[in-house]
Amino acid sequence: DVKVTQSSRYLVKRTGEKVFLECVQDMDHENMFWYRQDPGLGLRLIYFSYDVKMKEKGDIPEGYSVSREKKERFSLILESASTNQTSMYLCASSLINTDTQYFGPGTRLTVL
Amino acid sequence: EDKVVQSPLSLVVHEGDTVTLNCSYEVTNFRSLLWYKQEKKAPTFLFMLTSSGIEKKSGRLSSILDKKELFSILNITATQTGDSAVYLCAVPTSGTYKYIFGTGTRLKVLA
Repeated sequence: DVKVTQSSRYLVKRTGEKVFLECVQDMDHENMFWYRQDPGLGLRLIYFSYDVKMKEKGDIPEGYSVSREKKERFSLILESASTNQTSMYLCASSLINTDTQYFGPGTRLTVL
Repeated sequence: EDKVVQSPLSLVVHEGDTVTLNCSYEVTNFRSLLWYKQEKKAPTFLFMLTSSGIEKKSGRLSSILDKKELFSILNITATQTGDSAVYLCAVPTSGTYKYIFGTGTRLKVLA
């Protein structure tokens, strides 16, 4: 079974803090993705990566950065958290040349 | 502009009912459509459809794609309270592995 894990299920941070969300997958997948999910807006892609040290912007990259130093790990960084970044963050991974993505359990981030 | 639209937005049924969820899409160079189920956690994969008219089935769930009319349906027969979830439809965009998601259909099954 594919397993995608995320470092925290719930996180509370203050405005202006630097926030790290980590995602690890154990199936040697090339592609990894970060989404945020908000009521009424669905899942929106923030960034994705198709290889180590490679990244591409998704639909809403502003205010976020990512890091992929190892194949199994993809980190999402909020350089200076703001209240409008309060959301559910979902990580996913997939094999190269396949469409099926496997999701982690999500991190519910609250920025006060 | 590529888009994926799901209907209805929400649905309340009683156990034993049959439900049909809809997903319509407009995507350049379509290659697949995926259905996911999301309870209070990660979306879990249900089906991937690539060919028109071929039904995919898993237990009480089934799905079919119509590439001419650009939609897919997800059927759930003999619903159970455990089917209560948000059902998401996703379509990869042309030449990439990025998905466009619909906003989902929230299904509630009452005992």
